Amino acid sequence: KNEVEQSPQNLTAQEGEFITINCSYSVGISALHWLQQHPGGGIVSLFMLSSGKKKHGRLIATINIQEKHSSLHITASHPRDSAVYICAVQISGGSYIPTFGRGTSLIVHP
Amino acid sequence: NAGVTQTPKFRVLKTGQSMTLLCAQDMNHEYMYWYRQDPGMGLRLIHYSVGEGTTAKGEVPDGYNVSRLKKQNFLLGLESAAPSQTSVYFCASRAWGEATYEQYFGPGTRLTVT
Repeated sequence: KNEVEQSPQNLTAQEGEFITINCSYSVGISALHWLQQHPGGGIVSLFMLSSGKKKHGRLIATINIQEKHSSLHITASHPRDSAVYICAVQISGGSYIPTFGRGTSLIVHP
Repeated sequence: NAGVTQTPKFRVLKTGQSMTLLCAQDMNHEYMYWYRQDPGMGLRLIHYSVGEGTTAKGEVPDGYNVSRLKKQNFLLGLESAAPSQTSVYFCASRAWGEATYEQYFGPGTRLTVT
């Protein structure tokens, strides 16, 4: 069983819709990382957070440490947001190795 | 400041051939990682390094070897390539310390073994 679960696995939306991607984890963590990967492309960092909420443009990430849950929201979605979104956690205790979710594939239609 | 670079970007090998993938970072990061990414499997850790001269096995190390002779470089070797090693390989690096968990990824190397 993966310690990091993402939902949904696949998501299709129409341009302009509000999108939410969820990440749940089962262990104590020091930080959580949201990453984006466009088709055939590299992996880029969106957010690193350990509490509360962060916003960058149309993207918002929240984390609830007590509930072991994080969400990535995209407001006013656009076809260029089509990508795989990956959640990764840094387990507490000084581990060098992050644990990754399997990703959520998002397609936004014009 | 190039960040994390990988060479080559694409490669086709025949079964049994060998090759080395090079990862270089110019951010003076202590930690470096090699991952493979396969459809439906997510990112899986092959090997990692916590400093120059050190390496350790990850989740899927069989068939691969690594070396970190210089802090800025992390090499991934395939001694005898197999079709099961067809994948996209990503290198990543991270600064030392608990306050800096963010990983920086290279652009990837797409490897096909026929």
